[in-house]
Amino acid sequence: DTAVSQTPKYLVTQMGNDKSIKCEQNLGHDTMYWYKQDSKKFLKIMFSYNNKELIINETVPNRFSPKSPDKAHLNLHINSLELGDSAVYFCASSQVGLYGYTFGSGTRLTVV
Amino acid sequence: EDQVTQSPEALRLQEGESSSLNCSYTVSGLRGLFWYRQDPGKGPEFLFTLYSAGEEKEKERLKATLTKKESFLHITAPKPEDSATYLCAVQAAAAGNKLTFGGGTRVLVKP
Repeated sequence: DTAVSQTPKYLVTQMGNDKSIKCEQNLGHDTMYWYKQDSKKFLKIMFSYNNKELIINETVPNRFSPKSPDKAHLNLHINSLELGDSAVYFCASSQVGLYGYTFGSGTRLTVV
Repeated sequence: EDQVTQSPEALRLQEGESSSLNCSYTVSGLRGLFWYRQDPGKGPEFLFTLYSAGEEKEKERLKATLTKKESFLHITAPKPEDSATYLCAVQAAAAGNKLTFGGGTRVLVKP
């Protein structure tokens, strides 16, 4: 039973398209995140939600819009995709406080 | 701005050859330092949290230590299944639950 699940695992799309990535966690955690891992393997936070409320919004183009319908789900919608958006996007969750994250297995987005 | 630097970028070891990975950090008010393991095509897997200088944590062949400026991940007598990328991250006091990651160390253990 997967703790943090993301769909799809792979996404290949053309420039200018709009796409969504979905994430669900069954751990009962209060906080969910989106991280981007670039080709050099650096993980950088994009967004954080706590119980459906946006807590962290790093410097991310407003083409990226997260949505949290409830505390177990956090989706990421990307408009007008660009080549530079190609990366692996990870969803994660944690309890509030000093706890390690549980990551999903990632979505590899390739924009052509 | 919080920064995390990991070295070396890559490490090739023979099975049984112990070694250490370094994680240097600058952060305003460290709340915690985290170590993760990442296998190809998978998400990072949590290993340890260290909270204060002098603290040590162990799990099987891995031991993590923390000073005021850096953390080390010691791999004792590694096996091929220890091959992975090891990521270090810090959480700052004023950063909520945000983790700032280093670039990782790719470890390859040859039989």
